[in-house]
Amino acid sequence: AQTVTQSQPEMSVQEAETVTLSCTYDTSESDYYLFWYKQPPSRQMILVIRQEAYKQQNATENRFSVNFQKAAKSFSLKISDSQLGDAAMYFCAYRSALRTDKLIFGTGTRLQVFP
Amino acid sequence: GAVVSQHPSWVICKSGTSVKIECRSLDFQATTMFWYRQFPKQSLMLMATSNEGSKATYEQGVEKDKFLINHASLTLSTLTVTSAHPEDSSFYICSAARLEGQGRDIQYFGAGTRLSVL
Repeated sequence: AQTVTQSQPEMSVQEAETVTLSCTYDTSESDYYLFWYKQPPSRQMILVIRQEAYKQQNATENRFSVNFQKAAKSFSLKISDSQLGDAAMYFCAYRSALRTDKLIFGTGTRLQVFP
Repeated sequence: GAVVSQHPSWVICKSGTSVKIECRSLDFQATTMFWYRQFPKQSLMLMATSNEGSKATYEQGVEKDKFLINHASLTLSTLTVTSAHPEDSSFYICSAARLEGQGRDIQYFGAGTRLSVL
């Protein structure tokens, strides 16, 4: 069974600085997708960025980028030029490419942003 | 695009009553819809997966007679918590999967429903 691990329950960053959130996963599959979702205090889950496992190039979305290390089964999220609005819970998630159903979530990392 | 509406956002009910939560994809047809439960300061736990016109697939440990799911159309799924008890109090979140090319689908989430059972 696939598992997703986020080893940092909480992180903090100064506004305008850069922070990296860690995520590791375990799977025996070769084709899959990885996601980072953000859950602000409103509790609305928002897709931040996604990565297809078959792509070697790391995904980027404006200030958000990932470091995808397939061999190490690592998928970290880097937030550059952090803003107060980035404060939220961040969840890493895995989905098999074979089964277009469940997302498997990590336990989340709470990010605080200080002015 | 990819807006998912969930209603109500907050409901308080008496123990023993039933509560219905609606999940709608507003600007796309969802191949599949999902229902999650989230306890305070915890991650999302998948309860069930539903496809239009067929029975929902429940995760292990989820009582299908307790949590009734109806997927009436490609844009609407409902979760009914039957005979609710205080231990059912939680945050329930739905998501809808939108096909985004090359056979990939992405889940978009509703804003969630906070259920409080007195």
